[in-house]
Amino acid sequence: GENVEQHPSTLSVQEGDSAVIKCTYSDSASNYFPWYKQELGKGPQLIIDIRSNVGEKKDQRIAVTLNKTAKHFSLHITETQPEDSAVYFCAASKGFNKFYFGSGTKLNVKP
Amino acid sequence: SQTIHQWPATLVQPVGSPLSLECTVEGTSNPNLYWYRQAAGRGLQLLFYSVGIGQISSEVPQNLSASRPQDRQFILSSKKLLLSDSGFYLCAWVGHPNTEAFFGQGTRLTVV
Repeated sequence: GENVEQHPSTLSVQEGDSAVIKCTYSDSASNYFPWYKQELGKGPQLIIDIRSNVGEKKDQRIAVTLNKTAKHFSLHITETQPEDSAVYFCAASKGFNKFYFGSGTKLNVKP
Repeated sequence: SQTIHQWPATLVQPVGSPLSLECTVEGTSNPNLYWYRQAAGRGLQLLFYSVGIGQISSEVPQNLSASRPQDRQFILSSKKLLLSDSGFYLCAWVGHPNTEAFFGQGTRLTVV
């Protein structure tokens, strides 16, 4: 099956700085790549996603890039705020059947 | 609108006891349903998924089983819990046409 690797495992930034989280995947047939944010004690919630026919997608302070050739995708958060502090997961899916998740990145935004 | 209910929120069970976690989805029909486990400080591991009533696929060999007795109900079970079964269990669904995966609020299971 698919293998998704995510780095870094923890990330600490100052408020207002940018944060970048990177993921790689192994199955070249994967075609959907969502990012989830999980707050303490809650289930993950989708924050942004990208499909394989798109190289970049942006939603306000959040952007995701995809390099299909290299099989990696990244989450970019600009102008970070304390409320961005959470655990972020990347995932890869083929045809929306099964979602394989990375190991998560704990983001800490220091005020 | 679609909602997903998962209960209980927390559960403390002794080793060797049975387990039953329930997940139900509202506002959609024939969803794909999933059970994930999240060990402390780790990622989400896919345990089971189901594309329809009575159809269960297991991703990893383990002490757990899943059943889908109704279209929008997904149950995670064990006959005898092990210490290693402790974790945060998440139910998720994907609707049709293809949409994102929506997660429940999770069940924190501690086996003592």
